[in-house]
Amino acid sequence: EVQLVQSGGVVIQPGGSLRLSCAASGFTFSAYWMHWVRQAPGKGLEWVSRIDSDGGATSYADSVMGRFTISRDNAKSTLYLQMHSLSPDDTAVYYCIRDVTHAFDSWGQGTLVTVSS
Amino acid sequence: EIVLTQSPATLSLSPGERATLYCRASQSVYSYLAWFQQKPGQSPRLLIYDASNRATGIPARFSGSGSGTDFTLTISSLEPEDFAVYYCQQRYNWPPWTFGQGTKVEMK
Repeated sequence: EVQLVQSGGVVIQPGGSLRLSCAASGFTFSAYWMHWVRQAPGKGLEWVSRIDSDGGATSYADSVMGRFTISRDNAKSTLYLQMHSLSPDDTAVYYCIRDVTHAFDSWGQGTLVTVSS
Repeated sequence: EIVLTQSPATLSLSPGERATLYCRASQSVYSYLAWFQQKPGQSPRLLIYDASNRATGIPARFSGSGSGTDFTLTISSLEPEDFAVYYCQQRYNWPPWTFGQGTKVEMK
C-alpha cells in the first residue's frame, strides 16, 4: 500500500524558517517525481513545487520561488520542503504527492503550517 | 499559465440525482486533465485522469469527458458520500500545474 506520512503541524512566526518532511513507503520512491501542493484555509489547491526522481530537476510556483527549496533523500524514501521568509500568506495545509505518469495519484495526510505572531 | 475555470461554483442536488460539473481551460490542454474529490478534513483523492480514465477503485458512477478546452465530470446518481468539493487540474503545460477553483456539490 502506498503511504505518504507527513510531519506534524506547526505554528511559526513571520520571517521564520521551517522544513516539512514526507516519508514514503509501499512503492519504489526513487522512481517517481514528487510534488508539494498547498491549500490555504477555506481556499482551493495551489501547486507549490516539484522534484524529479533523482533530485536533479526542480520547479517552483512564482509565489515561493527563491524562498522554498524542495529536496529528497532516496535512500531514506523521504521528501522535504525547506521554507524560508515565511509570511501569513504561506499559512496553509501542505500536501506531498506522488506523480505517476498520468496524474497525482497519492496524497499525504497534509501538514498545517500556521504563520502567525 | 493555463487558467482553469470551473462551473458552477455550487451545485445543490439530492441523492440519486445526476451531477454535471464543468471545467474550461484558457487554452488547449488536449486530454491532460484530471479530477479530484475532497471531503472536509481529508486530502484530495484522484477520481479521473487523462480526461476520461477512472483511477483505481473509483466507482463507475463517476465519468469524465472532453478534450481541448472543455471538460465534464458526471456523477450519474449521487450517493450520500459524493457530497464534496471537486477540482480539475491540468498537466499539459507546466510549470505550474494548475487547478480550478473547485465546485462544491451540496445536498439540497
